[in-house]
Amino acid sequence: NAGVTQTPKFQVLKTGQSMTLQCAQDMNHEYMSWYRQDPGMGLRLIHYSVGAGITDQGEVPNGYNVSRSTTEDFPLRLLSAAPSQTSVYFCASSQPGQGLSGANVLTFGAGSRLTVL
Amino acid sequence: DQQVKQNSPSLSVQEGRISILNCDYTNSMFDYFLWYKKYPAEGPTFLISISSIKDKNEDGRFTVFLNKSAKHLSLHIVPSQPGDSAVYFCAARNRYNFNKFYFGSGTKLNVKP
Repeated sequence: NAGVTQTPKFQVLKTGQSMTLQCAQDMNHEYMSWYRQDPGMGLRLIHYSVGAGITDQGEVPNGYNVSRSTTEDFPLRLLSAAPSQTSVYFCASSQPGQGLSGANVLTFGAGSRLTVL
Repeated sequence: DQQVKQNSPSLSVQEGRISILNCDYTNSMFDYFLWYKKYPAEGPTFLISISSIKDKNEDGRFTVFLNKSAKHLSLHIVPSQPGDSAVYFCAARNRYNFNKFYFGSGTKLNVKP
């Protein structure tokens, strides 16, 4: 059981270049999300999706694009990379939240480290 | 402005002793609190959670305490083991949108043999 798979693990971009971070999960989770981790800031939510065809913005969505065409995949696109987007990116998935009967626990991928020069 | 704060970037304890990791939050929109553990080059993994209607939850060596009046929670690890050395993130779930979580900046725990 692979869980959440992210590719690539490392990427170096020049300012203005575009790229896509891939995320795939094999747990049939409805919910998928992207976070970025920066020193002293913790993990911040970029975009999330509650199912195929449905996406919404998180705390820091600017400069990023997402789409959800299948349950398994949730790619994150950087249309014109900027140095401020240098970060470690984590994809996470879970089943939907169930109120106070249980927290929806996130399963994370191993991360993608992106450097924008 | 961070809504979930972990004010101690690092903590060092001796093997066998208690580790106490702290987390503060700034408003009442959270209904669940979770702790995740992260090893280098890996993604965070879930450790333990507590709902806002409880004040304590225990799972083996790990206990989370919630003080709602102080908007403070803590994770106790007893006894600490060298394998517990990792970065610990506190997270809070938005009660109005179960799909939104807010994370603290993490505390790096070092358990010395």
